[in-house]
Amino acid sequence: SQTIHQWPATLVQPVGSPLSLECTVEGTSNPNLYWYRQAAGRGLQLLFYSVGIGQISSEVPQNLSASRPQDRQFILSSKKLLLSDSGFYLCAWSVFGSVAGEGHVQDTQYFGPGTRLTVL
Amino acid sequence: AQSVSQHNHHVILSEAASLELGCNYSYGGTVNLFWYVQYPGQHLQLLLKYFSGDPLVKGIKGFEAEFIKSKFSFNLRKPSVQWSDTAEYFCAVKGTGANNLFFGTGTRLTVIP
Repeated sequence: SQTIHQWPATLVQPVGSPLSLECTVEGTSNPNLYWYRQAAGRGLQLLFYSVGIGQISSEVPQNLSASRPQDRQFILSSKKLLLSDSGFYLCAWSVFGSVAGEGHVQDTQYFGPGTRLTVL
Repeated sequence: AQSVSQHNHHVILSEAASLELGCNYSYGGTVNLFWYVQYPGQHLQLLLKYFSGDPLVKGIKGFEAEFIKSKFSFNLRKPSVQWSDTAEYFCAVKGTGANNLFFGTGTRLTVIP
């Protein structure tokens, strides 16, 4: 079965320091990978997604970047953290499923345990 | 713009009461719909999903949801809640073929034994 790991689970960093959050998936190959952020009192917001090694799409402009050095590894980074980067970061994976009768692609995203980042 | 609204922020019920959590979405196209649940201290987990076909979908642990296209709604229901259903529930919408999953802000359910 597939599993998804994220680390660290919690992180406290000073403003201006770098960031590296890691996500790995086991039990599947060529997954789509996603980074989401949940700020206090808000729903999850998609930050980046990747459909393959080295392929990154950004959904919102921000202080963060993502990389996918291996098929099942997705990294979220920052060179200099801001206070506003605090939040709960979730990694997710999906694999495109069967095409429905109407020609639509179905896929379900499965989430990791998350990293709670506090920037002070 | 795409959006998902969950009108109930915190719901408190006694055990055996019936549950209905509202979810309305705004999206200009065909959608996939999801309910996720996050139990205290655990991962966000898929509760149920709708892709096509029968608009009444059944998920795990006795939950079900009904997609009403004309109302842009996907409400979650359970006829009799248990203390173990205490969790946060998130509705999410994705356009078919799109990558972005749009989430509501979540509804916290507290079930009193």
